Amino acid sequence: DPKIIQKPKYLVAVTGSEKILICEQYLGHNAMYWYRQSAKKPLEFMFSYSYQKLMDNQTASSRFQPQSSKKNHLDLQITALKPDDSATYFCASSLRDSYAEQFFGPGTRLTVL
Amino acid sequence: AQSVTQPDARVTVSEGASLQLRCKYSYSATPYLFWYVQYPRQGLQMLLKYYSGDPVVQGVNGFEAEFSKSDSSFHLRKASVHWSDSAVYFCAVSLSSNTDKVVFGTGTRLQVSP
Repeated sequence: DPKIIQKPKYLVAVTGSEKILICEQYLGHNAMYWYRQSAKKPLEFMFSYSYQKLMDNQTASSRFQPQSSKKNHLDLQITALKPDDSATYFCASSLRDSYAEQFFGPGTRLTVL
Repeated sequence: AQSVTQPDARVTVSEGASLQLRCKYSYSATPYLFWYVQYPRQGLQMLLKYYSGDPVVQGVNGFEAEFSKSDSSFHLRKASVHWSDSAVYFCAVSLSSNTDKVVFGTGTRLQVSP
């Protein structure tokens, strides 16, 4: 059974639209993250959350907004989509404060036309 | 600023040959060090990690890595590669035990030829 679920697997959007990427983890972790992977930047850290609180934000644009409705959920809302937002977005989770590895989800591949 | 450098974007080796993937970091203190692997169309999986103790750490699938403080390096090695090792390998560092932010290198794509 998958421990980190990301939905959808593939997503096509038009420029200017808004999309929400879903992430749920069933590992009992207390920290969750979003990363972006594209041809320009192989793996780029975006956000980290711990106990549903934002810990670090390395995304310059406010168009990217994480949303945590439950401890094991961290969705990513992207507004005013641009073609440059095309990438694979990975969600990850870990046990914070324990020198632990991060577990990654399978990713959502977003294409903005 | 903290940084991780993987100087080789692509490495090709023959099946059965030995492997070394290079990683260098730039920090004043000894960071937590990781190697992750990404197989095609999948997320990343951790191979091994290091913070202190024996500078040679063992990971899964026969991989090991050696930490060198003098060289600021954490190179990944395998004695004999298999075709299934073809993947992208990422070196990563964190400055603290809480994994609020892990900095990943640019990755090295390994191709194992038959």
